[in-house]
Amino acid sequence: DQQVKQNSPSLSVQEGRISILNCDYTNSMFDYFLWYKKYPAEGPTFLISISSIKDKNEDGRFTVFLNKSAKHLSLHIVPSQPGDSAVYFCAASTTFSGSARQLTFGSGTQLTVLP
Amino acid sequence: DTGVSQDPRHKITKRGQNVTFRCDPISEHNRLYWYRQTLGQGPEFLTYFQNEAQLEKSRLLSDRFSAERPKGSFSTLEIQRTEQGDSAMYLCASSPTGQGYTFGSGTRLTVV
Repeated sequence: DQQVKQNSPSLSVQEGRISILNCDYTNSMFDYFLWYKKYPAEGPTFLISISSIKDKNEDGRFTVFLNKSAKHLSLHIVPSQPGDSAVYFCAASTTFSGSARQLTFGSGTQLTVLP
Repeated sequence: DTGVSQDPRHKITKRGQNVTFRCDPISEHNRLYWYRQTLGQGPEFLTYFQNEAQLEKSRLLSDRFSAERPKGSFSTLEIQRTEQGDSAMYLCASSPTGQGYTFGSGTRLTVV
Protein backbone atom coordinates (compact mmCIF):
# COMPACT_ATOMS: atom_id res chain seq x y z
CA ASP A 1 0.00 0.00 0.00
CA GLN A 2 1.66 3.18 -1.24
CA GLN A 3 0.91 5.87 1.31
CA VAL A 4 2.59 8.69 -0.62
CA LYS A 5 2.01 8.89 -4.35
CA GLN A 6 3.57 10.97 -7.06
CA ASN A 7 1.54 10.10 -10.12
CA SER A 8 3.65 11.94 -12.67
CA PRO A 9 6.96 10.16 -13.30
CA SER A 10 8.21 13.06 -15.39
CA LEU A 11 7.57 16.71 -16.15
CA SER A 12 9.13 19.05 -18.71
CA VAL A 13 8.87 22.84 -18.55
CA GLN A 14 10.49 25.75 -20.31
CA GLU A 15 13.06 27.84 -18.50
CA GLY A 16 11.41 30.78 -16.76
CA ARG A 17 8.01 29.13 -16.53
CA ILE A 18 6.38 27.60 -13.46
CA SER A 19 6.97 23.97 -12.49
CA ILE A 20 4.22 22.32 -10.47
CA LEU A 21 4.93 18.95 -8.89
CA ASN A 22 2.10 17.10 -7.20
CA CYS A 23 1.88 14.58 -4.39
CA ASP A 24 -1.02 12.73 -2.75
CA TYR A 25 -1.05 10.87 0.53
CA THR A 26 -3.47 8.49 2.20
CA ASN A 27 -2.38 8.37 5.84
CA SER A 28 -4.22 11.02 7.83
CA MET A 29 -1.68 10.62 10.65
CA PHE A 30 1.02 12.33 8.61
CA ASP A 31 1.74 15.70 10.18
CA TYR A 32 4.85 16.93 8.41
CA PHE A 33 5.64 17.02 4.72
CA LEU A 34 8.90 17.57 2.91
CA TRP A 35 10.27 17.87 -0.60
CA TYR A 36 13.70 16.56 -1.54
CA LYS A 37 15.66 17.01 -4.72
CA LYS A 38 18.01 14.32 -6.00
CA TYR A 39 20.70 14.51 -8.64
CA PRO A 40 22.16 11.30 -10.11
CA ALA A 41 24.79 9.60 -7.91
CA GLU A 42 23.96 11.85 -4.97
CA GLY A 43 21.74 11.48 -1.92
CA PRO A 44 18.47 13.41 -1.65
CA THR A 45 18.84 17.05 -0.62
CA PHE A 46 16.24 18.73 1.57
CA LEU A 47 14.38 21.49 -0.26
CA ILE A 48 11.39 22.72 1.72
CA SER A 49 8.92 21.46 4.29
CA ILE A 50 5.48 22.24 5.70
CA SER A 51 3.72 21.37 8.91
CA SER A 52 0.13 20.17 8.86
CA ILE A 53 -0.92 23.31 10.75
CA LYS A 54 -0.05 25.43 7.72
CA ASP A 55 -1.32 25.45 4.16
CA LYS A 56 1.57 27.27 2.51
CA ASN A 57 5.29 27.70 2.99
CA GLU A 58 7.57 29.74 0.79
CA ASP A 59 11.34 29.82 0.39
CA GLY A 60 12.66 31.89 -2.48
CA ARG A 61 11.58 30.35 -5.76
CA PHE A 62 10.02 27.36 -4.00
CA THR A 63 6.53 27.25 -2.50
CA VAL A 64 4.79 24.23 -1.03
CA PHE A 65 1.01 24.12 -0.73
CA LEU A 66 -0.85 21.68 1.51
CA ASN A 67 -4.53 20.79 1.13
CA LYS A 68 -5.31 18.57 4.10
CA SER A 69 -8.90 17.88 3.15
CA ALA A 70 -7.78 16.55 -0.22
CA LYS A 71 -4.63 14.97 1.23
CA HIS A 72 -2.67 16.70 -1.48
CA LEU A 73 0.43 18.81 -1.61
CA SER A 74 2.24 20.53 -4.41
CA LEU A 75 5.60 22.16 -5.00
CA HIS A 76 5.76 25.25 -7.17
CA ILE A 77 9.05 26.44 -8.63
CA VAL A 78 8.99 29.91 -10.13
CA PRO A 79 10.85 30.74 -12.29
CA SER A 80 12.20 27.35 -13.30
CA GLN A 81 15.88 27.14 -14.14
CA PRO A 82 17.87 24.44 -16.00
CA GLY A 83 19.73 23.68 -12.76
CA ASP A 84 16.42 22.63 -11.23
CA SER A 85 16.42 19.54 -13.46
CA ALA A 86 16.46 16.63 -11.03
CA VAL A 87 14.23 14.01 -9.45
CA TYR A 88 11.91 15.50 -6.84
CA PHE A 89 10.63 13.36 -3.99
CA CYS A 90 7.70 14.15 -1.80
CA ALA A 91 7.96 12.74 1.73
CA ALA A 92 5.63 12.61 4.70
CA SER A 93 6.21 11.83 8.33
CA THR A 94 4.62 10.94 11.62
CA THR A 95 6.29 11.13 14.97
CA PHE A 96 7.63 8.04 16.68
CA SER A 97 10.08 7.46 19.53
CA GLY A 98 9.57 10.99 20.70
CA SER A 99 10.48 13.65 18.21
CA ALA A 100 12.20 11.38 15.71
CA ARG A 101 10.43 11.07 12.39
CA GLN A 102 10.31 8.23 9.89
CA LEU A 103 9.90 9.50 6.35
CA THR A 104 7.64 7.84 3.80
CA PHE A 105 8.65 8.83 0.28
CA GLY A 106 6.81 8.96 -2.99
CA SER A 107 8.35 7.42 -6.09
CA GLY A 108 9.61 10.73 -7.44
CA THR A 109 9.05 13.01 -10.42
CA GLN A 110 11.83 13.71 -12.91
CA LEU A 111 11.75 17.42 -13.69
CA THR A 112 13.46 18.61 -16.84
CA VAL A 113 13.76 22.35 -17.39
CA LEU A 114 14.42 23.12 -21.02
CA PRO A 115 16.59 26.13 -21.91
CA ASP B 1 32.20 19.12 8.81
CA THR B 2 31.70 17.65 5.35
CA GLY B 3 28.27 16.11 5.83
CA VAL B 4 27.21 12.48 5.98
CA SER B 5 29.85 10.15 4.59
CA GLN B 6 29.17 6.65 3.28
CA ASP B 7 31.66 3.98 2.33
CA PRO B 8 32.01 2.35 -0.10
CA ARG B 9 30.22 4.25 -2.87
CA HIS B 10 29.83 1.11 -4.93
CA LYS B 11 29.92 -2.56 -4.05
CA ILE B 12 29.58 -5.52 -6.38
CA THR B 13 29.26 -8.88 -4.68
CA LYS B 14 28.35 -12.41 -5.56
CA ARG B 15 25.09 -13.86 -4.36
CA GLY B 16 25.51 -15.50 -0.98
CA GLN B 17 28.36 -13.28 0.19
CA ASN B 18 28.19 -10.95 3.17
CA VAL B 19 28.66 -7.20 2.77
CA THR B 20 29.07 -4.37 5.25
CA PHE B 21 28.53 -0.68 4.68
CA ARG B 22 29.66 2.20 6.85
CA CYS B 23 28.05 5.55 7.56
CA ASP B 24 29.69 8.49 9.34
CA PRO B 25 27.01 11.01 10.31
CA ILE B 26 27.46 14.70 10.94
CA SER B 27 29.28 14.76 14.24
CA GLU B 28 26.72 16.61 16.36
CA HIS B 29 23.74 14.62 15.04
CA ASN B 30 22.51 12.04 17.53
CA ARG B 31 19.93 10.48 15.20
CA LEU B 32 20.94 8.20 12.35
CA TYR B 33 18.75 6.51 9.75
CA TRP B 34 19.20 3.88 7.07
CA TYR B 35 17.05 3.85 3.94
CA ARG B 36 17.05 1.70 0.83
CA GLN B 37 16.19 2.94 -2.65
CA THR B 38 15.51 0.72 -5.64
CA LEU B 39 15.25 1.85 -9.23
CA GLY B 40 12.23 4.01 -9.91
CA GLN B 41 11.19 4.17 -6.28
CA GLY B 42 11.65 6.57 -3.44
CA PRO B 43 13.81 5.73 -0.43
CA GLU B 44 12.27 3.23 2.01
CA PHE B 45 12.93 3.38 5.74
CA LEU B 46 14.99 0.52 7.17
CA THR B 47 16.06 1.48 10.69
CA TYR B 48 16.74 4.34 13.09
CA PHE B 49 19.25 4.95 15.89
CA GLN B 50 19.21 7.51 18.62
CA ASN B 51 22.79 7.59 19.86
CA GLU B 52 23.74 3.91 20.14
CA ALA B 53 20.22 2.61 20.64
CA GLN B 54 18.38 1.09 17.69
CA LEU B 55 14.85 2.32 18.33
CA GLU B 56 12.95 1.33 15.22
CA LYS B 57 13.23 -1.32 12.52
CA SER B 58 11.17 -1.71 9.38
CA ARG B 59 9.59 -4.97 8.29
CA LEU B 60 11.92 -4.61 5.29
CA LEU B 61 14.84 -5.37 7.57
CA SER B 62 14.89 -9.15 7.39
CA ASP B 63 16.96 -11.40 9.63
CA ARG B 64 19.80 -11.21 7.11
CA PHE B 65 20.19 -7.50 7.82
CA SER B 66 21.80 -6.11 10.93
CA ALA B 67 22.74 -2.57 11.82
CA GLU B 68 24.88 -1.24 14.64
CA ARG B 69 25.96 2.10 15.94
CA PRO B 70 28.60 1.48 18.59
CA LYS B 71 29.28 4.46 20.86
CA GLY B 72 26.67 6.49 19.04
CA SER B 73 29.05 7.60 16.32
CA PHE B 74 29.43 5.80 12.99
CA SER B 75 27.03 3.06 11.95
CA THR B 76 27.40 -0.15 9.98
CA LEU B 77 24.80 -2.04 7.98
CA GLU B 78 25.58 -5.69 7.28
CA ILE B 79 23.74 -7.91 4.83
CA GLN B 80 24.39 -11.62 5.18
CA ARG B 81 23.91 -14.17 2.38
CA THR B 82 23.12 -11.49 -0.16
CA GLU B 83 20.38 -12.06 -2.73
CA GLN B 84 19.82 -10.39 -6.07
CA GLY B 85 16.82 -8.59 -4.60
CA ASP B 86 19.17 -6.79 -2.22
CA SER B 87 20.59 -4.80 -5.13
CA ALA B 88 19.75 -1.20 -4.33
CA MET B 89 21.12 2.12 -3.18
CA TYR B 90 21.56 2.14 0.59
CA LEU B 91 21.25 5.64 2.01
CA CYS B 92 22.26 6.88 5.42
CA ALA B 93 20.95 10.09 6.92
CA SER B 94 21.48 11.94 10.17
CA SER B 95 19.57 14.57 12.06
CA PRO B 96 19.95 16.56 15.26
CA THR B 97 16.23 16.87 15.97
CA GLY B 98 14.38 14.37 13.84
CA GLN B 99 13.57 16.91 11.15
CA GLY B 100 15.54 18.05 8.16
CA TYR B 101 17.56 14.94 7.51
CA THR B 102 20.92 15.24 5.80
CA PHE B 103 21.48 12.29 3.50
CA GLY B 104 24.77 10.82 2.41
CA SER B 105 25.50 9.99 -1.21
CA GLY B 106 24.68 6.35 -0.64
CA THR B 107 26.26 2.96 -1.29
CA ARG B 108 25.13 1.29 -4.49
CA LEU B 109 25.04 -2.49 -4.04
CA THR B 110 24.93 -4.84 -7.01
CA VAL B 111 24.48 -8.54 -6.31
CA VAL B 112 25.47 -10.75 -9.23
